[in-house]
Formats: sequence, C-alpha cells, structure tokens
Amino acid sequence: DSGVTQTPKHLITATGQRVTLRCSPRSGDLSVYWYQQSLDQGLQFLIQYYNGEERAKGNILERFSAQQFPDLHSELNLSSLELGDSALYFCASSVDLAGGTDTQYFGPGTRLTVL
Amino acid sequence: AQKVTQAQTEISVVEKEDVTLDCVYETRDTTYYLFWYKQPPSGELVFLIRRNSFDEQNEISGRYSWNFQKSTSSFNFTITASQVVDSAVYFCALSANTGNQFYFGTGTSLTVIP
Repeated sequence: DSGVTQTPKHLITATGQRVTLRCSPRSGDLSVYWYQQSLDQGLQFLIQYYNGEERAKGNILERFSAQQFPDLHSELNLSSLELGDSALYFCASSVDLAGGTDTQYFGPGTRLTVL
Repeated sequence: AQKVTQAQTEISVVEKEDVTLDCVYETRDTTYYLFWYKQPPSGELVFLIRRNSFDEQNEISGRYSWNFQKSTSSFNFTITASQVVDSAVYFCALSANTGNQFYFGTGTSLTVIP
C-alpha cells in the first residue's frame, strides 16, 4: 500500500458526460501528479500540482482540468468524454523537495470506461 | 529532450531462470534520476528503485539487481531465479531538473512460466 488513495476504483459512463476523479496524497507529500494509461499510448503524464499550484503540464487535453485543494487532495475533471478517454487514470504523490525528481508513489488507479 | 527506451516489449521465461530487462535513456542534464516500477496484473504501480546519476554502484535487493552504466546510458534490471509472482509489466523512468516530470518507457511485460 503506497498511501495514495484514489476514488472511485471503477467508473463507467457515456460519451459526452463529465466525471471527477479524486486523489488523496500520502501524508506529508505536497505534489500530486496525474497520469493516463491506455493500451495504445502507454503511461502519459497529464499534470502536476504542488501545494495547490499548477507546476507542470504534460499531454493534458483542454477537456480535462485538475486542481489541488488546501488539504492537498486533488481532483481530475474530465468533460465531454469520448470513447478514446477510456483508460486507467493514476494519481501519484511525492514530497517534491528536489525539483520534481523525488520518488513518486502511485495510487491504485481509477479505471474509466466510456461507452 | 528526455527519453526512455525499453526495447523489449514482452519477455517470457521459465521459473527459476534469470532475466534482464533493458532500459536506455537520453538526457542532456548532468543531474538526473532513474527509476523502476512494477505493475502486476492487479494494476497498481509499485516503486522498486531510485538511482541518481552520480551513483553508478550496482544495487542488489534480494533477487533484484540493477546495473547502471552512464557510458552506455543504460539502467538495466535483473531478476535472479525468477518466480511466477514476478510476472508483471516493468517500467523504467527518468526524471531530471529540466522538464520537472517523469518520462516513462513503454514498459516490458514479463511472464514467468511455472
């Protein structure tokens, strides 16, 4: 158990809908990262938040957004969902005292299925 | 630019055989970190090791060992006397101060046959 929690574990929804994925980092970790893992794209970095502020952006679509709250939990919002958004979404956290090179600990993931 | 290449897409070995998973990286940073993660069939990503660019000593942890060679930009992972529980997808990753993110390889799927 990494100490990172994600809810829900599974999510099934329809195209065009909007969903919110939630992540709680390990105690003491200030950074939260979101990743998408699909069969054809591998593990793709989406976005990082550090202590409430966006720090780095990867291949995140404009339909996707995220935020980190004062209690450091984070939410990833996916809107206007398409079939291709079906994937495993991971959250990871790190202490991030070394400029993004600290070990990231991953949550169990949320499996999103868009029908 | 940062890049990680795991050329082996799938490997199958018979239980008790040794197996080496290759990882080749590219970076222009002089300070960087390399990682290995394991993704078993249950899906979670499990951290295995973190190594900085200034420490080229090989590391051994039980049946796992890692060979870091800056001269060939490689950070290979060997499992000795493989077991069925080692069956998983293994990811190599690179992080450097430039870019402020992890760069993952495409993973190597290891199947250990009993």
